Amino acid sequence: EAQVTQNPRYLITVTGKKLTVTCSQNMNHEYMSWYRQDPGLGLRQIYYSMNVEVTDKGDVPEGYKVSRKEKRNFPLILESPSPNQTSLYFCASSLAAQTEQYFGPGTRLTVT
Amino acid sequence: GENVEQHPSTLSVQEGDSAVIKCTYSDSASNYFPWYKQELGKGPQLIIDIRSNVGEKKDQRIAVTLNKTAKHFSLHITETQPEDSAVYFCAASKNDYKLSFGAGTTVTVRA
Repeated sequence: EAQVTQNPRYLITVTGKKLTVTCSQNMNHEYMSWYRQDPGLGLRQIYYSMNVEVTDKGDVPEGYKVSRKEKRNFPLILESPSPNQTSLYFCASSLAAQTEQYFGPGTRLTVT
Repeated sequence: GENVEQHPSTLSVQEGDSAVIKCTYSDSASNYFPWYKQELGKGPQLIIDIRSNVGEKKDQRIAVTLNKTAKHFSLHITETQPEDSAVYFCAASKNDYKLSFGAGTTVTVRA
């Protein structure tokens, strides 16, 4: 089954404790992206990757890091999480720019 | 960067009636406009998209219109059904990998 998976689905952590949210897709897509969803703000793009070893900033990259060492994986790293990073995070992948994006199920992160 | 505004934020319609959601964008270079539907507890899913060389596109009960001059585009859902209840997001993109979303519209279809 074609899908985007994210882990963990739920995470509660404390300020400053490094964490990684994993994202994997099995569709051989070139493009992957991370978004955060907050009430009243919709989805905002954090980082995206056009291919292996090629990444770029979205609209809200501060406090986040990404890497794309393999085509299928695109982890999101929060080196020192803060309460304002409490949010619902989605990973997405697509064949190319301006084509359908397939979203993962989401990761709900709470930073206390 | 691109700014996408979406209205209304909530919409309640009687089953069988039509629903219309409107979006405006700021960057005249934007040329790709997808609409995503998000059901409770799930990730968004593409329902329809339109490119700037087309003024209207229809897929069964769903249609999207684009007015490039006014920089706005709209989603029309006809003969609404309970399964249309969800959050809908519009988005805009120019010729790159960035996608800017609107704030979302929560649609409730009353039986």
